[in-house]
Amino acid sequence: GESVGLHLPTLSVQEGDNSIINCAYSNSASDYFIWYKQESGKGPQFIIDIRSNMDKRQGQRVTVLLNKTVKHLSLQIAATQPGDSAVYFCAERGNGFQKLVFGTGTRLLVSP
Amino acid sequence: NAGVTQTPKFRVLKTGQSMTLLCAQDMNHEYMYWYRQDPGMGLRLIHYSVGEGTTAKGEVPDGYNVSRLKKQNFLLGLESAAPSQTSVYFCASSPGQSSAFFGQGTRLTVV
Repeated sequence: GESVGLHLPTLSVQEGDNSIINCAYSNSASDYFIWYKQESGKGPQFIIDIRSNMDKRQGQRVTVLLNKTVKHLSLQIAATQPGDSAVYFCAERGNGFQKLVFGTGTRLLVSP
Repeated sequence: NAGVTQTPKFRVLKTGQSMTLLCAQDMNHEYMYWYRQDPGMGLRLIHYSVGEGTTAKGEVPDGYNVSRLKKQNFLLGLESAAPSQTSVYFCASSPGQSSAFFGQGTRLTVV
């Protein structure tokens, strides 16, 4: 069945470091992936997405990498800032699927 | 530009009571979703809709009903609330096979 999971529940980094958050997915039919950021008390906020015909996509300070061979997704945040502290979720949608399935999340803690 | 608006933001129910959560979006999106999020957990899909007048079950539909009578609104109903339904509920909308935009959540406590 569809499932999306994360390797690390909590990631602690120093301000200025680069952060890497990982995600594994099991549905090989998924063709669209999204990373969301959720701050305390708020709804998930879109960060970046990637379609399965790509293996890398860059945004402002963020990069998403997709490895379809091993069904792995990662989010890289450059020069991490205290404002990046939040829970990050990956989500997937399969080809022709209407559902968006979420992983359990990784908490990113950034210390000054 | 309101985006996705959820009403109410907080609610306390007694076991057995019923209530309806309202989600409204002003982006003319076709798809709408209801998720629940329990502490330390990800979002689990309750029900979703791919257009006005249509609904479908998600991962955890039991104990909930939904309606999409108007394209901009998606209602989530609890007919007989149970303590296990204590959670934060998020509504989202999407233009189609792309990213979903979320509301700010409804914190529901069932005592």
